[in-house]
Amino acid sequence: DVKVTQSSRYLVKRTGEKVFLECVQDMDHENMFWYRQDPGLGLRLIYFSYDVKMKEKGDIPEGYSVSREKKERFSLILESASTNQTSMYLCASSPFRQSGAVEAFFGQGTRLTVV
Amino acid sequence: QKEVEQNSGPLSVPEGAIASLNCTYSDRVSQSFFWYRQYSGKSPELIMSIYSNGDKEDGRFTAQLNKASQYVSLLIRDSQPSDSATYLCAVNSYTGGFKTIFGAGTRLFVKA
Repeated sequence: DVKVTQSSRYLVKRTGEKVFLECVQDMDHENMFWYRQDPGLGLRLIYFSYDVKMKEKGDIPEGYSVSREKKERFSLILESASTNQTSMYLCASSPFRQSGAVEAFFGQGTRLTVV
Repeated sequence: QKEVEQNSGPLSVPEGAIASLNCTYSDRVSQSFFWYRQYSGKSPELIMSIYSNGDKEDGRFTAQLNKASQYVSLLIRDSQPSDSATYLCAVNSYTGGFKTIFGAGTRLFVKA
């Protein structure tokens, strides 16, 4: 079974703190994604990566950065946490296929609260 | 215009009825389409994928794709209370690498 593991299930951070969310997958997938999920807005793509050291902005990259130094690990960084970044964060991975016909496998999610 | 649009619901159906969930997408070159189910407090899980025009059946689930109309649907036959969840439509889009774009989801309630 594919396993995508996020480092924390719940986090509480203070405004202005630098926050690291870690995600590890064990299936040698090329693609990795960070989404945030808010009520009524669904999953919105923050950043994705299709290779080591590669990153692409998603729909809402502002206030976030990412790092992918190893294939299995994709980190999301909140440079200076703000209250509007309180959300559920979901990491996902998928294998590369030329056709793009692949499903995404999700981690268990990190509920981040910024106070 | 959002890339993937769904009615947010909630959609309420009685047990045993057919639930019909709809989705439209804006990127004409999209080739891969998915339905994920998400229970409250849980992560999304894939229930159906479809790549060609027409219908694809898997048990009580049928996905329908019409690329000309840019429309994807999911039918759930003989709906059960355990089907109550949020259903997310997703589309793979290529921009240097494939990214998966999700709709906001439709909440389904199946009444016993």
